[in-house]
Amino acid sequence: DAGITQSPRYKITETGRQVTLMCHQTWSHSYMFWYRQDLGHGLRLIYYSAAADITDKGEVPDGYVVSRSKTENFPLTLESATRSQTSVYFCASSEAKTTNEKLFFGSGTQLSVL
Amino acid sequence: DQQVKQNSPSLSVQEGRISILNCDYTNSMFDYFLWYKKYPAEGPTFLISISSIKDKNEDGRFTVFLNKSAKHLSLHIVPSQPGDSAVYFCAASGIRLAAGGTSYGKLTFGQGTILTVHP
Repeated sequence: DAGITQSPRYKITETGRQVTLMCHQTWSHSYMFWYRQDLGHGLRLIYYSAAADITDKGEVPDGYVVSRSKTENFPLTLESATRSQTSVYFCASSEAKTTNEKLFFGSGTQLSVL
Repeated sequence: DQQVKQNSPSLSVQEGRISILNCDYTNSMFDYFLWYKKYPAEGPTFLISISSIKDKNEDGRFTVFLNKSAKHLSLHIVPSQPGDSAVYFCAASGIRLAAGGTSYGKLTFGQGTILTVHP
């Protein structure tokens, strides 16, 4: 099915390990985003990308790395996972030609760092 | 600094009654506001939006009101149904410039309000 897909759905890892969360969209949307959801904080923007090879930091980028070599993929890497990175991660995409473009979200990846 | 705030973590209403969810923002550069709905184990889905040039937008049972002078918006659901039980996030956006000079809009979300509609 067309849309935005995230993998894996669930991931358990240990502190210090590198983890990569995958995001793939089939709409050819220019813009992609990574958010994390935490109780009491809602959804906070980690990184975003306006196009292939263009990325920028969001509100909480520390400890994360992104890349966008192809328009349809936007992987998020935790270089050395910490317990504070236990969260639910959502990838989203949009055209965002104006501010009136809504985001389309994936189903999320629940990450536990032990 | 939380630029978009939902001060009520939860709301419980009876089926058929009105649900009112509130949201406050601090950044006067925001010019577009959205509400998202999220069920457990799913991603947020778009519900309704409003531009800053309007003070009301209606879509079926859902109405969003914007009070720019108070920097406040609210979502009204009438009548509420058990299937409306979910987490509701308000979000705001404004024009920003990304690296390379490309304009885009990115959303700033509130903390969310858990709505429970009892049969």
